[in-house]
Amino acid sequence: EADIYQTPRYLVIGTGKKITLECSQTMGHDKMYWYQQDPGMELHLIHYSYGVNSTEKGDLSSESTVSRIRTEHFPLTLESARPSHTSQYLCASMSRTGAYTFGSGTRLTVV
Amino acid sequence: GESVGLHLPTLSVQEGDNSIINCAYSNSASDYFIWYKQESGKGPQFIIDIRSNMDKRQGQRVTVLLNKTVKHLSLQIAATQPGDSAVYFCAENVYSSASKIIFGSGTRLSIRP
Repeated sequence: EADIYQTPRYLVIGTGKKITLECSQTMGHDKMYWYQQDPGMELHLIHYSYGVNSTEKGDLSSESTVSRIRTEHFPLTLESARPSHTSQYLCASMSRTGAYTFGSGTRLTVV
Repeated sequence: GESVGLHLPTLSVQEGDNSIINCAYSNSASDYFIWYKQESGKGPQFIIDIRSNMDKRQGQRVTVLLNKTVKHLSLQIAATQPGDSAVYFCAENVYSSASKIIFGSGTRLSIRP
């Protein structure tokens, strides 16, 4: 049973729209992460957070932004979606052992 | 969308045979290693982990081997089944200062009937 939840599972949206991808975890983990992954490709870290009010940019430059107002919630926002944003977005949280638990992902298509 | 990075290498295995997926890790300070399985359209799932004070750990049908001398990690899957078809990622972390996991590039495992 998943302890980290991402919504929506799939999203098709028009160019220029603002979107927010939701990620919530019930494990009380402080550290949370967003990865971008194209089909059949590597995982690329785009944002992470070490706790409430902490956000950092990852290794891959992204036009998205994140916020961390509550421990359990780590949403990702695109102010103006473009076709180049089409990808899968994966959210994860880190346990005390140092392993990630991933959500099921949001597959975003911008048309 | 524009793809970033390299396409993953593929390992093709006959159903019923053993699979061995290899990974070279990068950080000499890493002391915690994890293998993830990612099926099509899903997020990566934890398979097995190993700490640097061990060189072998076994799970159900899976074994992870760690060679710190050459910074090499391998995942062995016994009696490979169609359900094992997935992309497998190795990952490394520094347990005492766990911050970000470093992922390997991944290997796609395909099963021949």
